[in-house]
Amino acid sequence: KAGVTQTPRYLIKTRGQQVTLSCSPISGHRSVSWYQQTPGQGLQFLFEYFSETQRNKGNFPGRFSGRQFSNSRSEMNVSTLELGDSALYLCASSFRDRDKGYTFGSGTRLTVV
Amino acid sequence: LAKTTQPISMDSYEGQEVNITCSHNNIATNDYITWYQQFPSQGPRFIIQGYKTKVTNEVASLFIPADRKSSTLSLPRVSLSDTAVYYCLVGDKAGSARQLTFGSGTQLTVLP
Repeated sequence: KAGVTQTPRYLIKTRGQQVTLSCSPISGHRSVSWYQQTPGQGLQFLFEYFSETQRNKGNFPGRFSGRQFSNSRSEMNVSTLELGDSALYLCASSFRDRDKGYTFGSGTRLTVV
Repeated sequence: LAKTTQPISMDSYEGQEVNITCSHNNIATNDYITWYQQFPSQGPRFIIQGYKTKVTNEVASLFIPADRKSSTLSLPRVSLSDTAVYYCLVGDKAGSARQLTFGSGTQLTVLP
């Protein structure tokens, strides 16, 4: 059974550029959420999607955006990258009942130089 | 959201049983307790989830006393590969993913 797939695995971008990260959830999971993890701030919630609709958004600036497609795949976009955006970006998916919690992908390691 | 408190770090030796306790004094009636394991540069991995008493699966046991103000994750016979950060989360299963607030977790180091 395939897990949550995030691409790319690693990414290096320059300040001011934009980046798009992709997440394919486990088949049958319709809820997808995104997180930013840094050593200093820990794991912080970015946004959550269910059936192509954003259900919740964390406290991040408007440069961070996302969307979900009809096949539940999700993308997040960060525009005008800053050095502080360097982090591990994680995607998680789940069934509605969450008896098995959330399943996380391995993440995309973004480095902004 | 219920706040959780865990030890920052623990050391153990291979083959020993490890118990990590989490305090969650303001747990709500609808809240479940979930534990995750995370290795460096990987996403957290679901270990076990419970509401009360004892839950056991193929990798761990979760002990929850009657007042539910704390919980203990028990890992039997740990190996070097169990070295990781362990997170305790408390929240409503049906709630938003926003509730996935991971604290600093417990760094478990298994020594040979």
